[in-house]
Amino acid sequence: KQEVTQIPAALSVPEGENLVLNCSFTDSAIYNLQWFRQDPGKGLTSLLLIQSSQREQTSGRLNASLDKSSGRSTLYIAASQPGDSATYLCAVYRQEYGNKLVFGAGTILRVKS
Amino acid sequence: ETGVTQTPRHLVMGMTNKKSLKCEQHLGHNAMYWYKQSAKKPLELMFVYNFKEQTENNSVPSRFSPECPNSSHLFLHLHTLQPEDSALYLCASSQGPSGYGYTFGSGTRLTVV
Repeated sequence: KQEVTQIPAALSVPEGENLVLNCSFTDSAIYNLQWFRQDPGKGLTSLLLIQSSQREQTSGRLNASLDKSSGRSTLYIAASQPGDSATYLCAVYRQEYGNKLVFGAGTILRVKS
Repeated sequence: ETGVTQTPRHLVMGMTNKKSLKCEQHLGHNAMYWYKQSAKKPLELMFVYNFKEQTENNSVPSRFSPECPNSSHLFLHLHTLQPEDSALYLCASSQGPSGYGYTFGSGTRLTVV
């Protein structure tokens, strides 16, 4: 059974700091891994999707890496801003899971101005 | 709005009430999902529908009853709920498997009193 763990559970940093969020998964035979953002009281927004054959994906100040063999992914946020404050979730997909994603519990990020 | 619309946004109901949650998508997706999000827990998949057919019921109690009349609409009928059912209920849709194009609604915040 696939389990996804995110560390830390919560993180508070001053504005401008670079930070790393971690995601680990127990079954390395995934098809892809996805990072989502969730603002309070809102749904999830997809940020980056990494295919199992890829090592990383970048979008603006965000960079996500994937090490499938070790079951780990990181989300790097450069020059953090107060607007980055949100919950960040990672999710993995594998065809054998059926038509669904398996999510971690998320990291709550607060960027202080 | 993200393309997936959920109503109502907030719902307070007694344990003897019957209510329904509604989800609507106009993205042309053929798969729709119900997720439950409780505080500090990973998103829990409840139901999956592919082309209006239920393909997964993740051991959800019978007091939750899904309905998918067409590929664009998904309902969650609620009756005789318990206080521990209070949570954010999220609807999502996708074009198919593989995790691409997963789009979430803003959710319904349900409180059972």
